[in-house]
Amino acid sequence: DAGVTQSPTHLIKTRGQQVTLRCSPKSGHDTVSWYQQALGQGPQFIFQYYEEEERQRGNFPDRFSGHQFPNYSSELNVNALLLGDSALYLCASSPRDQGGMGEQFFGPGTRLTVL
Amino acid sequence: SQQGEEDPQALSIQEGENATMNCSYKTSINNLQWYRQNSGRGLVHLILIRSNEREKHSGRLRVTLDTSKKSSSLLITASRAADTASYFCATTRLNFGNEKLTFGTGTRLTIIP
Repeated sequence: DAGVTQSPTHLIKTRGQQVTLRCSPKSGHDTVSWYQQALGQGPQFIFQYYEEEERQRGNFPDRFSGHQFPNYSSELNVNALLLGDSALYLCASSPRDQGGMGEQFFGPGTRLTVL
Repeated sequence: SQQGEEDPQALSIQEGENATMNCSYKTSINNLQWYRQNSGRGLVHLILIRSNEREKHSGRLRVTLDTSKKSSSLLITASRAADTASYFCATTRLNFGNEKLTFGTGTRLTIIP
């Protein structure tokens, strides 16, 4: 059983460009959350998708957007990249029917560097 | 923003010793979870303690929760070199059942062989 997968592993972009990160949840999971982790910090919640809709959003600008597909996989898009967007982007999945009381399963992350 | 602080920020101990790290948080919670992260990669879930629980064990891990002080501690007994990692506490808020995790700042643990 494959866990959460993310692609690409590493990415280098320049300021002003746009980037798309991808995530496939663990089998049987229908909820996907995205987190940004700056170097030396804890992850910060970006947003969460369930039933192809954004259900919760953290304190991130509209440059950060996402999408969930019918197979529960998800994309994170960041427009007009800034140097401060350099971070590890983590995807996490969970089954909705655990009622919000359980663990989340994290992927290995995508390391984004903005030059 | 981060939910709270973890203490200490970094900890180095000899293999075989016990490691204790603490976490404080700010709001009322549903549960508190501890995660481990190796070398800046994905997080691995270690243990979850619900707001109505005071202590929980899993293998060499012991977690305590004091909701009156809004704090938790993670004890790793008989540490091993493989325990070297960063450890994060994360909370879900009371009355918000959709599993948004709010993380602390983390403790970097180094086990010296």
